[in-house]
Amino acid sequence: AQSVTQLGSHVSVSEGALVLLRCNYSSSVPPYLFWYVQYPNQGLQLLLKYTSAATLVKGINGFEAEFKKSETSFHLTKPSAHMSDAAEYFCAALNNAGNMLTFGGGTRLMVKP
Amino acid sequence: SQTIHQWPATLVQPVGSPLSLECTVEGTSNPNLYWYRQAAGRGLQLLFYSVGIGQISSEVPQNLSASRPQDRQFILSSKKLLLSDSGFYLCASQKGGSMYNEQFFGPGTRLTVL
Repeated sequence: AQSVTQLGSHVSVSEGALVLLRCNYSSSVPPYLFWYVQYPNQGLQLLLKYTSAATLVKGINGFEAEFKKSETSFHLTKPSAHMSDAAEYFCAALNNAGNMLTFGGGTRLMVKP
Repeated sequence: SQTIHQWPATLVQPVGSPLSLECTVEGTSNPNLYWYRQAAGRGLQLLFYSVGIGQISSEVPQNLSASRPQDRQFILSSKKLLLSDSGFYLCASQKGGSMYNEQFFGPGTRLTVL
């Protein structure tokens, strides 16, 4: 069965610092991968997605993620954190049938002034 | 793009009372629909999914049920709520007729069972 692991349930960075949120997947074939963001008491919003095209994917709000097959990773980065980036971030992978998402446990990002 | 509506936004119910949460989708036809739950401090748990009217698959045995009476309507129900049913319920939609697409999420319903 497919699984998605997010290392670090809580990450704290200073405003202006690099954001790095880690995601590793387990799959026998390269999956379709997604990063979602959730602000308090709201639904999930898609940040970006990898669909077997370019390995470096750019998303909204200055975020990007790089698919590395050799490391089975899809880490999310942003060069400079803003206070408004404080939220929970979820990595997810689609199953081989393309209709079910497996989510990681989520990482709560805190941004210090 | 798709728009997902959920209501109510918040709900406080006593133990043993019934539940009905509604989700409607705009902007696509024949979508795959999903109900998720987030308990406090935990990740997303898939409860039900549906590939068409009247077609419901349950992922977790529990006190809840789901129905899809119309193409773009998905309802989550319970006959008698338990304390453990408290949580944040999210409805999601995947574009119909095309796999390997992202899911779009609604704004959620915060349910508190007292």
